Amino acid sequence: DVKVTQSSRYLVKRTGEKVFLECVQDMDHENMFWYRQDPGLGLRLIYFSYDVKMKEKGDIPEGYSVSREKKERFSLILESASTNQTSMYLCASSLGQVSNQPQHFGDGTRLSIL
Amino acid sequence: AQSVTQPDIHITVSEGASLELRCNYSYGATPYLFWYVQSPGQGLQLLLKYFSGDTLVQGIKGFEAEFKRSQSSFNLRKPSVHWSDAAEYFCAVGGYTDKLIFGTGTRLQVFP
Repeated sequence: DVKVTQSSRYLVKRTGEKVFLECVQDMDHENMFWYRQDPGLGLRLIYFSYDVKMKEKGDIPEGYSVSREKKERFSLILESASTNQTSMYLCASSLGQVSNQPQHFGDGTRLSIL
Repeated sequence: AQSVTQPDIHITVSEGASLELRCNYSYGATPYLFWYVQSPGQGLQLLLKYFSGDTLVQGIKGFEAEFKRSQSSFNLRKPSVHWSDAAEYFCAVGGYTDKLIFGTGTRLQVFP
């Protein structure tokens, strides 16, 4: 079974801090994704990556950046955290063509910015 | 552009009753369709997927879904709901773009 591991289940940070969310997958998947999930809005794609050192903006990239130095690890960075970034963050990975392959999700990180 | 709509935000059923969760998509060609379930405090788990062929797809946990091209729908069904099915359910559509589009979800509540 594919395992996608997010480093923290719950995280509390202060406004203005630089925040790192880490995600690791163990199945050699090419594609990795970061979503945020908010009530009534479903999942919104922040960034995704096809390969090491590759990154593509999703639908809501503002205020975020990503890093993929190794194939198994995809990091989401909040450059200067703000209260409107309080949310559930979900990492996912998949094989092959993004549009026709199921994505495998981690358990999420619930991030609170005070 | 592809899109997906889940018209029901919240559904309540009694344990043992049948269930149907609605999903409508917008896409010019035959889409790739997925249903996911999210239990409280967890990530999303794939229930089933449709790519082509038989329009009735079987998934895990006793769920099935039917692709109806004429109605642009991919509704999820279960003949008899268990209390452990209480969760949030997401429909997703993929096509020839480089991402999956997720619906806003339907929260299922099950009464004993």
